[in-house]
Amino acid sequence: DAGVIQSPRHEVTEMGQEVTLRCKPISGHNSLFWYRQTMMRGLELLIYFNNNVPIDDSGMPEDRFSAKMPNASFSTLKIQPSEPRDSAVYFCASSLGAINSPLHFGNGTRLTVT
Amino acid sequence: DQQVKQNSPSLSVQEGRISILNCDYTNSMFDYFLWYKKYPAEGPTFLISISSIKDKNEDGRFTVFLNKSAKHLSLHIVPSQPGDSAVYFCAASGRRTSYDKVIFGPGTSLSVIP
Repeated sequence: DAGVIQSPRHEVTEMGQEVTLRCKPISGHNSLFWYRQTMMRGLELLIYFNNNVPIDDSGMPEDRFSAKMPNASFSTLKIQPSEPRDSAVYFCASSLGAINSPLHFGNGTRLTVT
Repeated sequence: DQQVKQNSPSLSVQEGRISILNCDYTNSMFDYFLWYKKYPAEGPTFLISISSIKDKNEDGRFTVFLNKSAKHLSLHIVPSQPGDSAVYFCAASGRRTSYDKVIFGPGTSLSVIP
């Protein structure tokens, strides 16, 4: 099992550019989550999907952020346009979605917006 | 407003001694609690969990205690080892808030000194 795969590992971009982060969940997992980690706010839940359907996007900071899950094996988080305050580590996680099924995290994408 | 709080940003412990990491929560709808461990440049990994119907769960050197009336839980590591040095996140979810929506605390950085 390869685990949750995120790409890229690092992304450096200029303010105003579009950024797309990618995630491949563990096969068979039906829930997928996007988290953001910053020093100030810790690990924040941005959005999560169940069976490819967005369930709760109340954590998405602004309309500049959007997430999609076109199929069970792929999800994207897009920021357009990006701003310096978006700089953070973005984690994707997946789970079986049951009470005793923990989240399995990818190694994250470190985003730096200059 | 943080629903899951870890008031100690860091903790140092001698190798072989007990490490106690604390966590408080405010949302009475939480009824499932988890601890995750995170090494630098990696995603968090699941460590141990506890349901609100229990007050203690043990797994090897790791024990989690839950005090529902105080809305407090703690993670005990005995004996502490240098490899335990990491950031520990407390997390919570609940049947009525959806078990899928896992809320994390800000983390406590544990250093185990050889």
